[in-house]
Amino acid sequence: KQEVTQIPAALSVPEGENLVLNCSFTDSAIYNLQWFRQDPGKGLTSLLLIQSSQREQTSGRLNASLDKSSGRSTLYIAASQPGDSATYLCAVRLRGSSNTGKLIFGQGTTLQVKP
Amino acid sequence: DTAVSQTPKYLVTQMGNDKSIKCEQNLGHDTMYWYKQDSKKFLKIMFSYNNKELIINETVPNRFSPKSPDKAHLNLHINSLELGDSAVYFCASSQDRVSPLHFGNGTRLTVT
Repeated sequence: KQEVTQIPAALSVPEGENLVLNCSFTDSAIYNLQWFRQDPGKGLTSLLLIQSSQREQTSGRLNASLDKSSGRSTLYIAASQPGDSATYLCAVRLRGSSNTGKLIFGQGTTLQVKP
Repeated sequence: DTAVSQTPKYLVTQMGNDKSIKCEQNLGHDTMYWYKQDSKKFLKIMFSYNNKELIINETVPNRFSPKSPDKAHLNLHINSLELGDSAVYFCASSQDRVSPLHFGNGTRLTVT
C-alpha cells in the first residue's frame, strides 16, 4: 500500500531564506508526482508535476526533484517571500489500470515566511 | 474564467438529511474526481469518472453517490448524513488519467 509522508509538518522561516520541503513515498511504482499549494479556505493549486522518467522540474523560484528509486521528492523554494506562506502538498499518481488517475497525498507541510 | 467550480461553498445541515454538492469544469477535461479532506487536512480520493464512466470507487459508504450527467459535471449526493461526514469536499478534473489535476475551492460540509 502506497504511503506518502511529508516532513516537516510545519516550518517557519524569515523572508529571503532558501528552503527545502521533503516528500517520501513507500512504493516506487508511480506514474508521476505532483506538488500542490493550498491556501487557507481555498482549493489546491498545482505547482509542478514530475513524470517518473524525469529528475526535476522548475518553475520560477520553485524546483522539484524526484528520486524514484529511493522514494523521495524535494521542493526547493528560493528566496522565500511572505506570499509563499501556505500548505504544500505532494501527491503520487499510482501505476496500474485500476489505479491510474488516483493520487495519494501526503499530509502537507505548512510554511510560514515571516517578513 | 476557466476553472473547476463547485457549489455550495459552505453547507451546514443536520444529521439524517440528504444533500448534494455540484461540480462543473469548463476546461474540456475528460476526467473528474471527488476528494475528501478531513479535520487533519488529509486528502483522500473518493471517486473518479472518465467520460462519464466510473473508474475509481474507493471504500466509500453507499450513502455517497456520484452522478455525472455529462463529462463537464460531477455531482455528489449524500444520503442520511452523519456527524463523521463533516469535512471539506473537493472536486477536481484532469485532461486524462495522468495529466495534472485542477481543483475547485472546496465545499465545507458541517453536520450537526
